[in-house]
Amino acid sequence: DAGVIQSPRHEVTEMGQEVTLRCKPISGHDYLFWYRQTMMRGLELLIYFNNNVPIDDSGMPEDRFSAKMPNASFSTLKIQPSEPRDSAVYFCASSLSGAPKGSYEQYFGPGTRLTVT
Amino acid sequence: LAKTTQPISMDSYEGQEVNITCSHNNIATNDYITWYQQFPSQGPRFIIQGYKTKVTNEVASLFIPADRKSSTLSLPRVSLSDTAVYYCLVGEEGFKTIFGAGTRLFVKA
Repeated sequence: DAGVIQSPRHEVTEMGQEVTLRCKPISGHDYLFWYRQTMMRGLELLIYFNNNVPIDDSGMPEDRFSAKMPNASFSTLKIQPSEPRDSAVYFCASSLSGAPKGSYEQYFGPGTRLTVT
Repeated sequence: LAKTTQPISMDSYEGQEVNITCSHNNIATNDYITWYQQFPSQGPRFIIQGYKTKVTNEVASLFIPADRKSSTLSLPRVSLSDTAVYYCLVGEEGFKTIFGAGTRLFVKA
């Protein structure tokens, strides 16, 4: 398997523009997570899905952020409008719930480095 | 979710064994303990997970005392490539994952 795939790897945009980050989870995984990492705040869980349904979006910072998972193999994180403080590395991760009890391993993608100027 | 406390940073030399301890005084009965490793410009990578006593895999060992209020990640004979940030996580199911600041391990030649 190719692992979790994220695109683009780097994104530079101007304040006010819409940004869409994409993620393809590992085939067969039924959980998908979006994280944001900055030097100041560390690694933060934004939202996670189970079987394409959003379960907890309490980490989404503002209404400017939205996430969708239209099918089991694709998810997007959208920021509209973007602001300089959104600059961060955004990671997508997936996991399998049916693994033996206690095996809650998450597989992370390479991340998308977002810079908003 | 149980809060975790780890040292901010540690230094070691190649070939040494490194032990990183994590405190989780409020761990719940159903909570598991999971450790991740993160290299610069990469996403975190699962290292090991346990519930009690000792767990060992090809990468590390995890020691958990009977009261489960702490855990120790042991990396045998570290190399320069083990320089990374190590995160300790505690939580049931692992889905509502909360990463702390982690421990920055720096391995010197």
